[in-house]
Amino acid sequence: NAGVTQTPKFRILKIGQSMTLQCAQDMNHNYMYWYRQDPGMGLKLIYYSVGAGITDKGEVPNGYNVSRSTTEDFPLRLELAAPSQTSVYFCASSYSTSGDTQYFGPGTRLTVL
Amino acid sequence: KQEVTQIPAALSVPEGENLVLNCSFTDSAIYNLQWFRQDPGKGLTSLLLIQSSQREQTSGRLNASLDKSSGRSTLYIAASQPGDSATYLCAVFPGNAGNMLTFGGGTRLMVKP
Repeated sequence: NAGVTQTPKFRILKIGQSMTLQCAQDMNHNYMYWYRQDPGMGLKLIYYSVGAGITDKGEVPNGYNVSRSTTEDFPLRLELAAPSQTSVYFCASSYSTSGDTQYFGPGTRLTVL
Repeated sequence: KQEVTQIPAALSVPEGENLVLNCSFTDSAIYNLQWFRQDPGKGLTSLLLIQSSQREQTSGRLNASLDKSSGRSTLYIAASQPGDSATYLCAVFPGNAGNMLTFGGGTRLMVKP
């Protein structure tokens, strides 16, 4: 099993550009999550999904959108990138509830200039 | 709102020392508490998960304790090794309302040979 995979690893965007961060898992997990981690800080939840077709906002959803058309994939869309979105983004998954052990991808380091 | 604090933010010890990392949380109504390890430039790896009904969990040289009433958890690392150098994060899952982990800012550990 590859676990949770994320692409790209690094990306530099200009202010106002858009991009999609890709996340996939091959563990047949129902729950998937997107977090952002700013330097020296813990992780903050952006969006999560409890299954295909179902998504919900986390703590910091503004400026982002998600979709979940399959169990395996959970892309995160940034529209009109802003410098405040410079961060490291992590995707994670868990089998059932958010309280289960979560498995994390390697992260995408995004810089908006 | 749940807040999770980890002190110290950074710790440097010589190899072989036993050490304790601290995690405190403001709302004792938790479902579980989780400890993660994060290596530089990598995602998080789950180390231990303690249910609210448990007092401690052990895995190898790691022992995590939970005192829910006082809002504290400790991660004890025995006979530290240079390979233990990483950032350690704790996170709590709510027991009543909410559906997301709240993370602390982490403790950055350096074990010197």
